Amino acid sequence: AQSVTQPDIHITVSEGASLELRCNYSYGATPYLFWYVQSPGQGLQLLLKYFSGDTLVQGIKGFEAEFKRSQSSFNLRKPSVHWSDAAEYFCAVGATNYGGSQGNLIFGKGTKLSVKP
Amino acid sequence: DGGITQSPKYLFRKEGQNVTLSCEQNLNHDAMYWYRQDPGQGLRLIYYSQIVNDFQKGDIAEGYSVSREKKESFPLTVTSAQKNPTAFYLCASIAGTGLMNTEAFFGQGTRLTVV
Repeated sequence: AQSVTQPDIHITVSEGASLELRCNYSYGATPYLFWYVQSPGQGLQLLLKYFSGDTLVQGIKGFEAEFKRSQSSFNLRKPSVHWSDAAEYFCAVGATNYGGSQGNLIFGKGTKLSVKP
Repeated sequence: DGGITQSPKYLFRKEGQNVTLSCEQNLNHDAMYWYRQDPGQGLRLIYYSQIVNDFQKGDIAEGYSVSREKKESFPLTVTSAQKNPTAFYLCASIAGTGLMNTEAFFGQGTRLTVV
């Protein structure tokens, strides 16, 4: 069964420091991978997605992620964190044949990012 | 502007009551989804619909019901059978019938509290 693991529940970084949020997935075929961000009390916004091709994908707000098939990982990175990046981040994998029909997104449990001034 | 609108933003339910959460989209998307979010649990799928007048159970459908009478609307009813309904509920839509090839758009959520 498809699954997504985000090993870090909560991460704190200083403003201006680099950031890496980890995501590992379990999937039998080529995965469709997503990173979403959620501010408190809000919906989710897509940061970036990977379907095929270049394994390093660029997203909005200066984020990027690298797909590594050998490690079953899709880690999210940002070179310099801003205070406004404090939020919860969700990794997701597109699941095929859910319930025998069409697709669905399987979400990790999220990583909460806090930014120190 | 196109998007997904959930209402109300906050909802309070008494024990034994049914309540309905609204989700409307003007993106002309075929598929719509309801997720439940609890602290530390991520998002769990309740129900989804890929076409009008058809919907499927997700992982945690017990105690919930939905309808899809119009393409733009996918209301969720939390019934009295749902023993622990306090949570944040998110509605999403996508253009096609598979999430793999397109972006999921989310509403701003409804926070339901049992009083």
